[in-house]
Amino acid sequence: EAQVTQNPRYLITVTGKKLTVTCSQNMNHEYMSWYRQDPGLGLRQIYYSMNVEVTDKGDVPEGYKVSRKEKRNFPLILESPSPNQTSLYFCASSFRSPGSSYNEQFFGPGTRLTVL
Amino acid sequence: AQSVSQHNHHVILSEAASLELGCNYSYGGTVNLFWYVQYPGQHLQLLLKYFSGDPLVKGIKGFEAEFIKSKFSFNLRKPSVQWSDTAEYFCAVIHGSSNTGKLIFGQGTTLQVKP
Repeated sequence: EAQVTQNPRYLITVTGKKLTVTCSQNMNHEYMSWYRQDPGLGLRQIYYSMNVEVTDKGDVPEGYKVSRKEKRNFPLILESPSPNQTSLYFCASSFRSPGSSYNEQFFGPGTRLTVL
Repeated sequence: AQSVSQHNHHVILSEAASLELGCNYSYGGTVNLFWYVQYPGQHLQLLLKYFSGDPLVKGIKGFEAEFIKSKFSFNLRKPSVQWSDTAEYFCAVIHGSSNTGKLIFGQGTTLQVKP
């Protein structure tokens, strides 16, 4: 089954304790992205990656890091989490047809993070 | 800055009522348009998309949307809603010439359907 998976699904942590949220897709998509969802703000892009070893900042990258060492994986790293990073996080992947624009993004199930 | 606006933040309907959710975007060039749905506790799923061609697109579960270029709009419609349509709905845009694949989302509309 084609899917995007994320782990963990729920996480409660304390300020300053480094954490990693994993994301993996099995669709061989070049493009992957992380979003955070907050009430009234919709989804905002944190980081994205257009291919292996190619990453760039989205709209709200402060306090986050990413890496893309393999095509299928795109982990999100919070080096020193703070309470304002309490949110619902989604990973997504997509592809681009040759000579065409990007297609729809496929989303993971989400990770609900609480930072105390 | 490019943006997507969803005018209705919270909509309450009775079953069998008709639905129309508004979506406007601010970019003047070629765009690819999407509507996603998020059922309670679940991830986002694609309802429908528009890239080109017939501006009236049909999606899953009886939803449709109409792209009106002159109005920069992509409103979502359903003739008769069901209780199971209770969810949050997001309009999203990718610029057709985008090299970053950036998907710009509206704020979302919460739909509550009363049985």
